[in-house]
Amino acid sequence: GESVGLHLPTLSVQEGDNSIINCAYSNSASDYFIWYKQESGKGPQFIIDIRSNMDKRQGQRVTVLLNKTVKHLSLQIAATQPGDSAVYFCAENVIGSYGKLTFGQGTILTVHP
Amino acid sequence: EPEVTQTPSHQVTQMGQEVILRCVPISNHLYFYWYRQILGQKVEFLVSFYNNEISEKSEIFDDQFSVERPDGSNFTLKIRSTKLEDSAMYFCASSGGLANYGYTFGSGTRLTVV
Repeated sequence: GESVGLHLPTLSVQEGDNSIINCAYSNSASDYFIWYKQESGKGPQFIIDIRSNMDKRQGQRVTVLLNKTVKHLSLQIAATQPGDSAVYFCAENVIGSYGKLTFGQGTILTVHP
Repeated sequence: EPEVTQTPSHQVTQMGQEVILRCVPISNHLYFYWYRQILGQKVEFLVSFYNNEISEKSEIFDDQFSVERPDGSNFTLKIRSTKLEDSAMYFCASSGGLANYGYTFGSGTRLTVV
């Protein structure tokens, strides 16, 4: 069946450090992946996405890596800032699923000044 | 930047009552979704809606739930007879195409069933 999970439920870093948040997925039919940031009391906010025909995609201070061989996804945040503190979710979309996203459990990122 | 708007932000209702959660998706989007998030848990898919009909629904979306697009701008989720376990954040989302076209979430409605 489908499942998307995270290795680490919490991550604490110092301001300026690089952060890496990991995600494992089990459905090889998934072809699109998104990382979302969720701040307290708010909805998921899009960070970056990647299609299954890519293994790396970069944005502003963020990079997503996809390893289809081991069904692993990671989000790298460079020079982490206190404003990056939030819960981070990976989500996957399965081919033919009419846009349904399956979310992982979430990782709490805390950035200390 | 275009937004998905949800109202109310917080609703308290008595068990057994009907509730309607309202959403205004992004105006040129074609696909609409509802998700829920029980406190401390992950976001769960409820239903997707396209061309005035349900495209897909999860096991959570039973006969107590229904969705409607009553006009050209609103998208609603109705729970006919609320249960305590329906207490959660409910998020509406919309996308221009399928998942990889501007998939945007609203800020959510916190539903508390007492």
